[in-house]
Amino acid sequence: AQTVTQSQPEMSVQEAETVTLSCTYDTSESDYYLFWYKQPPSRQMILVIRQEAYKQQNATENRFSVNFQKAAKSFSLKISDSQLGDAAMYFCAYLGAGTYKYIFGTGTRLKVLA
Amino acid sequence: GAVVSQHPSRVICKSGTSVKIECRSLDFQATTMFWYRQFPKQSLMLMATSNEGSKATYEQGVEKDKFLINHASLTLSTLTVTSAHPEDSSFYICSASGTGRNTEAFFGQGTRLTVV
Repeated sequence: AQTVTQSQPEMSVQEAETVTLSCTYDTSESDYYLFWYKQPPSRQMILVIRQEAYKQQNATENRFSVNFQKAAKSFSLKISDSQLGDAAMYFCAYLGAGTYKYIFGTGTRLKVLA
Repeated sequence: GAVVSQHPSRVICKSGTSVKIECRSLDFQATTMFWYRQFPKQSLMLMATSNEGSKATYEQGVEKDKFLINHASLTLSTLTVTSAHPEDSSFYICSASGTGRNTEAFFGQGTRLTVV
């Protein structure tokens, strides 16, 4: 069975600084997708970034980038120039290519300090 | 991204009554919809997966007679919490995905259910 682990329950970062959120996963599948979702206080799940496992290049979306290490089964999220609006719960998620069923990590609460 | 609308956003009901939550995909056909439950400060727990026109597949430990799921069309799925009790109070989130591989799921706004 696939698992997703987020070992940091909470992280803090100063405004304008950079922070990295960790995520590791376990799977025997070769084709899959990885996601980072943000859940602000409104509880709406917002897609931050996605990575296809077959792509070696790390995904980037403006201030958000990932470090995808397939062999190590690691998928960390880097947030650059942190803003107050980045404060939220961040969930790492796995999606096998042969299924539509997401597997979520336990989440990391990010606090941004002014 | 695509829009998924979930209604109501908040509902309070009396113990013993039933509550229906709707999940609509507004601008795409959702062949598959998912229902999650989220306890405070915890992750999303998948309750069931529904495909249009067929019975929902429930995760282990989820009572199918308690949480009735209907996915009658490609744009609408409903979750009915039957004979609700205070322990059913929670945040429920739906998501929907379209056809094909590499299909991203889009989330509704969630429903906070309080059973008194």
